[in-house]
Amino acid sequence: DAMVIQNPRYQVTQFGKPVTLSCSQTLNHNVMYWYQQKSSQAPKLLFHYYDKDFNNEADTPDNFQSRRPNTSFCFLDIRSPGLGDAAMYLCATGKTGATDTQYFGPGTRLTVL
Amino acid sequence: GIQVEQSPPDLILQEGANSTLRCNFSDSVNNLQWFHQNPWGQLINLFYIPSGTKQNGRLSATTVATERYSLLYISSSQTTDSGVYFCAVVYGGATNKLIFGTGTLLAVQP
Repeated sequence: DAMVIQNPRYQVTQFGKPVTLSCSQTLNHNVMYWYQQKSSQAPKLLFHYYDKDFNNEADTPDNFQSRRPNTSFCFLDIRSPGLGDAAMYLCATGKTGATDTQYFGPGTRLTVL
Repeated sequence: GIQVEQSPPDLILQEGANSTLRCNFSDSVNNLQWFHQNPWGQLINLFYIPSGTKQNGRLSATTVATERYSLLYISSSQTTDSGVYFCAVVYGGATNKLIFGTGTLLAVQP
């Protein structure tokens, strides 16, 4: 089945130690999104790729970066995780056009010690 | 920016009961989605509904875009319906960025 895969599902890192989260898709969608969801809150968009074009949300901290080496893969890099970055990170994909929905991966739950 | 509010914030139901969840948004949007987030965090698409009414089994949704609200109906609720329900409005032109609502936490008791 076509799907959105995130690895790892659970990630533990230490304060200040860089961490990378991975997302891959078999849907061949040209848009990929990263959302951050803190406990008891709604998901919040960090950035998205439209093909190879990177689009940062205005309030996304500089500590968060992303890479998209090809259509199928997208990575979220947190350069120096702080305790406040502990959250669920959700990857989603979509196609351009108003009639298509977004498809979400299962998420990676990040713990910062 | 666009504000998306959901009500009620919390809801407890007995199995078999019906419920209506509401989503209000503050500005015109391109489209609207409803999601169910299960206890493991997976967001599951329920409906993509710019206007009108759609039904899928025990669930149905209605969006009245001109009045800036959407409703999600759950009939004959089951314990597996428990979780958080989010509406999300679509904005951002061709790339369909989402702004999520505040969510409704639903607990269905046996």
